[in-house]
Amino acid sequence: NAGVMQNPRHLVRRRGQEARLRCSPVKGHSHVYWYRQLPEEGLKFMVYLQKENIIDESGMPKERFSAEFPKEGPSILRIQQVVRGDSAAYFCASSPPEVGYGYTFGSGTRLTVV
Amino acid sequence: SQELEQSPQSLIVQEGKNLTINCTSSKTLYGLYWYKQKYGEGLIFLMMLQKGGEEKSHEKITAKLDEKKQQSSLHITASQPSHAGIYLCGADIQGSNYQLIWGAGTKLIIKP
Repeated sequence: NAGVMQNPRHLVRRRGQEARLRCSPVKGHSHVYWYRQLPEEGLKFMVYLQKENIIDESGMPKERFSAEFPKEGPSILRIQQVVRGDSAAYFCASSPPEVGYGYTFGSGTRLTVV
Repeated sequence: SQELEQSPQSLIVQEGKNLTINCTSSKTLYGLYWYKQKYGEGLIFLMMLQKGGEEKSHEKITAKLDEKKQQSSLHITASQPSHAGIYLCGADIQGSNYQLIWGAGTKLIIKP
C-alpha cells in the first residue's frame, strides 16, 4: 500500500513559466491537502480538496495558483507565471473520510524558480 | 508570531542523552500531530494526540498532551543518530479537522 506519491521531487522553472505539481493520495483516501513550506518556516495550509470539490482554498494566493482533484487521477497544484517567491517545498497530504485518522504526507515537491 | 510555538528552535544533544521538545498553543488543541522531517525529505508521521492527558509512545519517543490541551511535549530517551532531523508539531485548533497550524520546527542534532 503506497503512501502519498508526489512528483516531481524537484522542479526548476524560469520566471514566468508554469509549474504543475502532482499528488496521488493513499488508496482509499478521498481528502487531499496542500501545504507550502518556505525556507526556514513552518508549513502553511493552502487548500483542502475532496474528489471534484474544493472545500477550502483560504490559504492559497488568489492569483496564479489553482488546485484540482478530479474524479480520476492525481490532485494537481498549478502555479502560473511563477516568480522567485514561489520557490518552496510543496507538500501534499491525504486522509480518509473518517475523522481522527490523521494525515499521511508525501515527500514533497521542491520548486526552484530561477 | 507563530500561532503554535515550538521550543527550542534547535537542539544539540550528546548521543545517549534524553531530550524534550515542546509545542505550545494559545488556544485549545483539538488534535496535535508530531512529524519528523529529514532535510530534503518528506514528513514522517510520529504520533497523534487528541485527548487531554493522553500519552503515546513509539520506540524511544513519547509524546504527551497536557490536561488543559494547550501544550504537548515530545520526549526522546537515549537519543541516537537516527533521531536527528527536524521535528514539527501540527495542531487542529479550530476543531475543523483540517487546515492544521504548524510550529516552525525544532532542528535536532545528535553528537556522537
